[in-house]
Amino acid sequence: DVKVTQSSRYLVKRTGEKVFLECVQDMDHENMFWYRQDPGLGLRLIYFSYDVKMKEKGDIPEGYSVSREKKERFSLILESASTNQTSMYLCASSTLVISPLHFGNGTRLTVT
Amino acid sequence: ELKVEQNPLFLSMQEGKNYTIYCNYSTTSDRLYWYRQDPGKSLESLFVLLSNGAVKQEGRLMASLDTKARLSTLHITAAVHDLSATYFCAVDRGGADGLTFGKGTHLIIQP
Repeated sequence: DVKVTQSSRYLVKRTGEKVFLECVQDMDHENMFWYRQDPGLGLRLIYFSYDVKMKEKGDIPEGYSVSREKKERFSLILESASTNQTSMYLCASSTLVISPLHFGNGTRLTVT
Repeated sequence: ELKVEQNPLFLSMQEGKNYTIYCNYSTTSDRLYWYRQDPGKSLESLFVLLSNGAVKQEGRLMASLDTKARLSTLHITAAVHDLSATYFCAVDRGGADGLTFGKGTHLIIQP
């Protein structure tokens, strides 16, 4: 089974802090994604990557950046956390274009 | 911009009843996915629909895709309490660009 592991289940950070959310997948998947999930808004795509060192903006990239130095690892960075970035963050990976996304368990981030 | 709309967003139903969740999307796509999310958990893939007319069934759930109408349905037959969850449809954005999700249907099945 594919395993997508997000390093933290819960995080509490202060406004203005730099925040790193880490995601690792163990199935050699090419594609990796970061979504945020908010009540009433569903999942929204922040960034994605289809290869090492490649990154593409999703629908809501503002205030975020990403890093993919190794194929199995995709990091989401909040350069200066703000309260409106309080959310559940979900990492996902996939291989073939037609294959479903495999999701991690999520990181619930609270910015105070 | 691809938009995905689900309805209803909230559904409370009794065990034993049938119901359908609808998923409409705004631009051409041949690939649509259904996911389930239990409270506090991540998303689990249910169905992958890859062509017009595709139909998939698993237990009491059946999903179908009409690409011409840009519509997918998730039909629940003789609902049981264990099917209570939030269900998301998601449409392929093209290439390897990931999926655009609907807002989810929060389904509660009462004994």
